[in-house]
Amino acid sequence: GAGVSQSPSNKVTEKGKDVELRCDPISGHTALYWYRQSLGQGLEFLIYFQGNSAPDKSGLPSDRFSAERTGGSVSTLTIQRTQQEDSAVYLCASTVTGGFTGELFFGEGSRLTVL
Amino acid sequence: AQSVTQLDSQVPVFEEAPVELRCNYSSSVSVYLFWYVQYPNQGLQLLLKYLSGSTLVKGINGFEAEFNKSQTSFHLRKPSVHISDTAEYFCAVRSQGAQKLVFGQGTRLTINP
Repeated sequence: GAGVSQSPSNKVTEKGKDVELRCDPISGHTALYWYRQSLGQGLEFLIYFQGNSAPDKSGLPSDRFSAERTGGSVSTLTIQRTQQEDSAVYLCASTVTGGFTGELFFGEGSRLTVL
Repeated sequence: AQSVTQLDSQVPVFEEAPVELRCNYSSSVSVYLFWYVQYPNQGLQLLLKYLSGSTLVKGINGFEAEFNKSQTSFHLRKPSVHISDTAEYFCAVRSQGAQKLVFGQGTRLTINP
């Protein structure tokens, strides 16, 4: 597609349930990032994938959070046993590397509400 | 580790007035600096970036920013704002050699008629 696509755009779940958020990056982009945007907290880095290299998971807030990227393209962020503090907008971004200048192309986000 | 501080969480200004959104960073190595904008109900998009060279960089929609190494700042300015500039603005830094882009907490710019 023309841009980064994320689904679902909105997800309401009950505390304790698992959720999966999907990101389809721009074709040809080798790097993929997940960020979390909470009210008043800015953008919090979660995880970074680059090609076949081991992902940088340094931003994942707990072991309930995990992410994978299959075939170097689509990525899924999984949150297990959701808590109310997980409510936020989860943003995915992609970019090229090699001459990387730092411009990230963002999707419109998946808004997660945990009741 | 790099970090970014946006000093104002909200900035209200009148239409056609000038505005400055402040950003300070910390890093032990050379940095690349960015401003992103998020319009209501839209995704983030790049406004401007500093990679090297001239410390004054110009972006879209009449915005500009100045990199000041001694002050570790990268403030965003516009001489005359419009209603359409109402948005949240994020400053971000990437240290040389790092792949992670670190964002500030954002500044909500509100334009009053």
